[in-house]
Amino acid sequence: EAGVVQSPRYKIIEKKQPVAFWCNPISGHNTLYWYLQNLGQGPELLIRYENEEAVDDSQLPKDRFSAERLKGVDSTLKIQPAELGDSAVYLCASSFNKNEQFFGPGTRLTVL
Amino acid sequence: GENVEQHPSTLSVQEGDSAVIKCTYSDSASNYFPWYKQELGKGPQLIIDIRSNVGEKKDQRIAVTLNKTAKHFSLHITETQPEDSAVYFCAASGGNTGFQKLVFGTGTRLLVSP
Repeated sequence: EAGVVQSPRYKIIEKKQPVAFWCNPISGHNTLYWYLQNLGQGPELLIRYENEEAVDDSQLPKDRFSAERLKGVDSTLKIQPAELGDSAVYLCASSFNKNEQFFGPGTRLTVL
Repeated sequence: GENVEQHPSTLSVQEGDSAVIKCTYSDSASNYFPWYKQELGKGPQLIIDIRSNVGEKKDQRIAVTLNKTAKHFSLHITETQPEDSAVYFCAASGGNTGFQKLVFGTGTRLLVSP
């Protein structure tokens, strides 16, 4: 069974530029999560989707971050414009019916 | 909201020794406590979890204990091997958010020397 797929794995951009991350969850998983992981820290939830509905986005900085999960499968997380402090690893996870969360390998973002 | 503290931040052991990592949580309504292992360049991988209706769970060389009264839980790894070297995260969730809103600790870097 294929795991959670994320792309790109690495991204380097200059500040004020836009950036987008893509996630393909495990087939059949109805819940999708985006996490932010700063260096030396644990993951922090940004947004959680139940199918195509965002049910918890309280930690998402909505002035510059946006996310979508069209058709309840793949998801995209966007930052526009990026700031230096956005440098981190962005993790996607998925689960089925509120069970174990499976994480993807993450996208490491560096903002110069 | 929930707050999870994890200790120690780094742990060095010799191969074959045991390793113990401890976490405390603040929300008494939390009822699900997973442990994740994260290797360099990879996402966290669930290694064991425990729900609040049990006090201990074991899977081969790893075990987790939970003390709901004291609001702390621990990961125990016996007969450590070099491939156990990684960063380990505890997490807690539950209460009104169910099992889904995980709050993670800050991680423990475990180094197992041959």
